[in-house]
Amino acid sequence: AQSVTQLGSHVSVSEGALVLLRCNYSSSVPPYLFWYVQYPNQGLQLLLKYTSAATLVKGINGFEAEFKKSETSFHLTKPSAHMSDAAEYFCAVSSTSGTYKYIFGTGTRLKVLA
Amino acid sequence: DTEVTQTPKHLVMGMTNKKSLKCEQHMGHRAMYWYKQKAKKPPELMFVYSYEKLSINESVPSRFSPECPNSSLLNLHLHALQPEDSALYLCASSQGITRAPQPQHFGDGTRLSIL
Repeated sequence: AQSVTQLGSHVSVSEGALVLLRCNYSSSVPPYLFWYVQYPNQGLQLLLKYTSAATLVKGINGFEAEFKKSETSFHLTKPSAHMSDAAEYFCAVSSTSGTYKYIFGTGTRLKVLA
Repeated sequence: DTEVTQTPKHLVMGMTNKKSLKCEQHMGHRAMYWYKQKAKKPPELMFVYSYEKLSINESVPSRFSPECPNSSLLNLHLHALQPEDSALYLCASSQGITRAPQPQHFGDGTRLSIL
């Protein structure tokens, strides 16, 4: 069965510092992976997706993620945090057959300090 | 601006009321989803429609009744809900469910409170 683990339910960074949000997956075959962001009182917005085409994936708002098969990881990074990045971030894995349901991680709340 | 529109944004109802949540998308997507999200938790899948037919029901209680009148519209009919059903209800859509990968596009949700 597939699963996804997000280490750190809360992450705090200073404005301008590197953002690193961790996501590890468990799957017998390379899955499809997604990062979503959720701002307060809003739905989920797709940041980026891994579709096996390239291991380094660039997304919106300056975010990127690198798929590392050997580490079963898909960590999200941004070189310089902005106050507007404060939000909840979810990593999701999609099954590779059948109906491609999402399995979400538990989420990481990012706080950006001035 | 979200491309998936949900109405109403907020809903307060009693346990004996009947109400409906509405979701609309005009992206030509053929798969639509209902999720329930409790505070500080990830979304939990409830239902999936593919080409207007119910494809997945994640053992949701019958007090929740989905309906997909056409490819652009998804409803969730509510009846005799319990206080624990209070949550944010999210609708999503994707191009399909049998061709991967298909990112899901989410609406801003309906915040439901059961009195």
